[in-house]
Amino acid sequence: AQSVTQLDSHVSVSEGTPVLLRCNYSSSYSPSLFWYVQHPNKGLQLLLKYTSAATLVKGINGFEAEFKKSETSFHLTKPSAHMSDAAEYFCVVSPTRGYNKLIFGAGTRLAVHP
Amino acid sequence: DAGVIQSPRHEVTEMGQEVTLRCKPISGHNSLFWYRQTMMRGLELLIYFNNNVPIDDSGMPEDRFSAKMPNASFSTLKIQPSEPRDSAVYFCASSQKGTGGYEQYFGPGTRLTVT
Repeated sequence: AQSVTQLDSHVSVSEGTPVLLRCNYSSSYSPSLFWYVQHPNKGLQLLLKYTSAATLVKGINGFEAEFKKSETSFHLTKPSAHMSDAAEYFCVVSPTRGYNKLIFGAGTRLAVHP
Repeated sequence: DAGVIQSPRHEVTEMGQEVTLRCKPISGHNSLFWYRQTMMRGLELLIYFNNNVPIDDSGMPEDRFSAKMPNASFSTLKIQPSEPRDSAVYFCASSQKGTGGYEQYFGPGTRLTVT
């Protein structure tokens, strides 16, 4: 069975400081992992994805995530937060075989203060 | 590419009325998903289709909900009769099964309010 846990429901940072959104996954085989972002009153947008290639994945808007198998983690980072990064972020796991359902984490709401 | 298209974007209806939500997936994608998002329950998968065939409808709340995909470019989610607890944002997403992960592309959503 697969699952994903986002360790923080809310994260608050100041503009210009680093962002860290934590995600742990559970999978019986090598998964694919994604981060999605949802701005207020918008749909979900794919930020980045890991599919068993490079363990450090770069996404849009300066975000990146590192796949660490030994820690079963896929944390999302950004060196310097911008006001426009305020949104909800979802860590997602997908099987690489079988049905293509996505398993969503509960989400982390990121607040960015001036 | 126009992305996933959903209509209407907003729907306000009275309890007991029939509601139909529409979705056009990205051209060439062979999987389509319907989700519901509320503050209380978060994002829930309702049903998904592969090659126009329903694969898993275990998330459909009850018989009042039905979904169809008559062809590769169109799907509907119908609620009949609607109830106030159906108020939510409904998202449609599509994906193309590939060699890697199956990332999904989401539409802008339909905000449904049932009074």
